[in-house]
Amino acid sequence: ETGVTQSPTHLIKTRGQQVTLRCSSQSGHNTVSWYQQALGQGPQFIFQYYREEENGRGNFPPRFSGLQFPNYSSELNVNALELDDSALYLCASSGHSGGATYEQYFGPGTRLTVT
Amino acid sequence: AQTVTQSQPEMSVQEAETVTLSCTYDTSESDYYLFWYKQPPSRQMILVIRQEAYKQQNATENRFSVNFQKAAKSFSLKISDSQLGDAAMYFCAYRSAPHDMRFGAGTRLTVKP
Repeated sequence: ETGVTQSPTHLIKTRGQQVTLRCSSQSGHNTVSWYQQALGQGPQFIFQYYREEENGRGNFPPRFSGLQFPNYSSELNVNALELDDSALYLCASSGHSGGATYEQYFGPGTRLTVT
Repeated sequence: AQTVTQSQPEMSVQEAETVTLSCTYDTSESDYYLFWYKQPPSRQMILVIRQEAYKQQNATENRFSVNFQKAAKSFSLKISDSQLGDAAMYFCAYRSAPHDMRFGAGTRLTVKP
């Protein structure tokens, strides 16, 4: 069974640029959630995708967007990068059936630095 | 809005001793889940233990157990027989809606040999 993977591991971007982060969900999982974890803080929920549709969103501006593909992998896109976007971005996958969502399994994260 | 508070930024425990990490939360929901996650340095977040709010019995996973006080909205984690590998950031998390997991700011646990 393959766990949650994320790419790239590290990324350095300049303010104003755009970035795409990728996540492959764990085998058998159909739901992907994205979190932003600033240094020294707990993760903050960005959004969740279920069956290729956004299934909930946290308090993040529209320049944070995402996609989920038929194989349940997902992308997080951030436009017009700001210095405060520097953080560890975590992806978590889970199963979802009959209205119930199961435990989330986290990937190793992508460390984004905006200069 | 649901909030999760971890009042201990750092904790320290001697190897083989017991330590308790505190967590309180604020919610008006009656049905929800609570979690403790462990995040070792530069490593993945791992689920330690979970508790369903409708269950009165406290969850236990080997050396890890919780003290769930629903009326007080308190959810503490007890680690017994602490090991060096337990050193990590520990996050308390709350979830009611399927998609919305709220995390506390974390407690850094140090284990002294």
